[in-house]
Parts: sequence; C-alpha cells; structure tokens
Amino acid sequence: EADIYQTPRYLVIGTGKKITLECSQTMGHDKMYWYQQDPGMELHLIHYSYGVNSTEKGDLSSESTVSRIRTEHFPLTLESARPSHTSQYLCASSERGHRLAQYFGPGTRLLVL
Amino acid sequence: ILNVEQSPQSLHVQEGDSTNFTCSFPSSNFYALHWYRWETAKSPEALFVMTLNGDEKKKGRISATLNTKEGYSYLYIKGSQPEDSATYLCAPLAYSGAGSYQLTFGKGTKLSVIP
Repeated sequence: EADIYQTPRYLVIGTGKKITLECSQTMGHDKMYWYQQDPGMELHLIHYSYGVNSTEKGDLSSESTVSRIRTEHFPLTLESARPSHTSQYLCASSERGHRLAQYFGPGTRLLVL
Repeated sequence: ILNVEQSPQSLHVQEGDSTNFTCSFPSSNFYALHWYRWETAKSPEALFVMTLNGDEKKKGRISATLNTKEGYSYLYIKGSQPEDSATYLCAPLAYSGAGSYQLTFGKGTKLSVIP
C-alpha cells in the first residue's frame, strides 16, 4: 500500500497569506509531483522533482514554488495567496523509470477568500 | 499540452451490467498510457500502465486494451458492482523535452453503479 501524506486536507485562508502545503512519502521514491485540479477540470502537472535538489515546472504555469531538500518531503509554497489559487492540490510519487505508476496522496482543498 | 479525450463524461449503470469507456490521445510522441481509479474522498489509485500496441491488461473484473497507432484505449468493467463507482482517469505519458516525461490527464469518466 502506498504511503504518501498531505497536510492540511482542507485550508481556508485569506488573501495575501503565505501558505505551505506539505507532502511526504515513506516509500523512498525519487520522483515526486504536484498536480492542480480545478472543479470539473483535468489534473494538471504544476511541479515535479526527480530527486533531492531537483525541481522543474510542469505544463501548467503556477505562482507556487517547491523545494526538495529531503527525498521524502516535497512542500509547495504560495507566498501570497489569491482567490485564483483556490483549487485542489494533489501530490504524487513514483519510483525511477518512466513506465511506472504514480502513487497519489489524498489532496489538499484550498479556498482563498 | 496534449489533447486527451475521455468518453462518456459520466455513466450510470445497473449492478451486474458490463460497461466500457474510451480514452483518445495523440498517437505521436506516445510512451505509455496510465489508467487510474479515483473514488470520492480517496486518492487516485493506479489500475494499469500500458506501453505496447495491442496490449491487454486485466485486474479482476476490469480490463483495458491499447491501440497506439490510432491513439485510443478502452477500459472494460464486467458485471459492475457498487464499489466500482468512481471516476476513471486515463493519462498518456509523453516526452516533454530535456529528459522529462509527463502525464497528461483526461477529465475522466464518472461511473455510478446503481444497486
């Protein structure tokens, strides 16, 4: 069973606040990902990492930033939250190799007022 | 960004019915196709990763086929059960440059199985 955790699960916050969404996995996976999903829309890749100190932007432009200082931890930060950031954010991880399935966390639902 | 189409968007079936849905994707730059099941209030869960044209995969009552030349995959559920109710997502994996490969997800097919 996959062990990938996200906190918080739900977050309601005011405009202008700095927020960090946490993602941790205990499987030792090198690859980690952040996806964003607006209601009724597809999952879009916003960030990914192939290992420690490696981060890349995905195909959907995002004002968020990520860091990968430890293998198991891949936090996403918004320096100044805006209502347009309201969405669901899912973290995932996978082993090396491009044909391997991704394991997803339960997601964080963010509402910016 | 790839154009990935899934149809139908939603589906209601009676318990015991068999059903199938479609995923269409660009056949160029294809590397693999992922299928995920996403139950409400849970995490998406991988069903299959398929790579070869003509591939068929099976997991219990669920099976999938792949046609990479024409760019489509079918997912079949035999004898649907209420616990099959979920959104089924497909995602082709394509090379995105600089040694990177990315999944592009479709919007999914939402299946509701009526007891």
